Amino acid sequence: AQKVTQAQTEISVVEKEDVTLDCVYETRDTTYYLFWYKQPPSGELVFLIRRNSFDEQNEISGRYSWNFQKSTSSFNFTITASQVVDSAVYFCALSVKEYGNKLVFGAGTILRVKS
Amino acid sequence: NAGVTQTPKFRVLKTGQSMTLLCAQDMNHEYMYWYRQDPGMGLRLIHYSVGEGTTAKGEVPDGYNVSRLKKQNFLLGLESAAPSQTSVYFCASSYIGTGGRAKNIQYFGAGTRLSVL
Repeated sequence: AQKVTQAQTEISVVEKEDVTLDCVYETRDTTYYLFWYKQPPSGELVFLIRRNSFDEQNEISGRYSWNFQKSTSSFNFTITASQVVDSAVYFCALSVKEYGNKLVFGAGTILRVKS
Repeated sequence: NAGVTQTPKFRVLKTGQSMTLLCAQDMNHEYMYWYRQDPGMGLRLIHYSVGEGTTAKGEVPDGYNVSRLKKQNFLLGLESAAPSQTSVYFCASSYIGTGGRAKNIQYFGAGTRLSVL
């Protein structure tokens, strides 16, 4: 099965806390891409990061960091020192080879950052 | 650089009416997609296109038609709208060429909120 699971439906934190969003995936493809997208209250889908399956090097970009572990099929996303503007729905997605490399999305995690 | 532009942003239809959603991208991307987003069901692929003049069905194509007459445009049509087509529709495009740009990243438009009464 090609599937993405985001077990956390909703997370609430206070500003400046660190928060980690979990993502577990299943795929039969040997090479694949994983993504994180952000959907703020305005509704658009914003691309955050892409990771390919043969590169397990973790990445940091400002307050964002990603931890990809192929052995556990996980691609977790951490926001350091969260801010109110980080409040959004975050989607993890897997690119599959059928349907023109369509994206299989997780159900999303609602992140609420309170001041 | 506008990226992916969807029009209209909102629309209300009556059952049986028809309409066309327009998606335009200015990034010279080869692949284009139409998804729908529904509560509890995530995003599901309706149709996609791997190049000008070609289209293919996705997971939930029934009730929709598409056309890609120009590389930069991908149109989604509803011939006879039904309440079950009430949703938020997203268009996306991606680059899959051999150049130096990052491949296989889908960039999304702002979405179209459609209500069918």
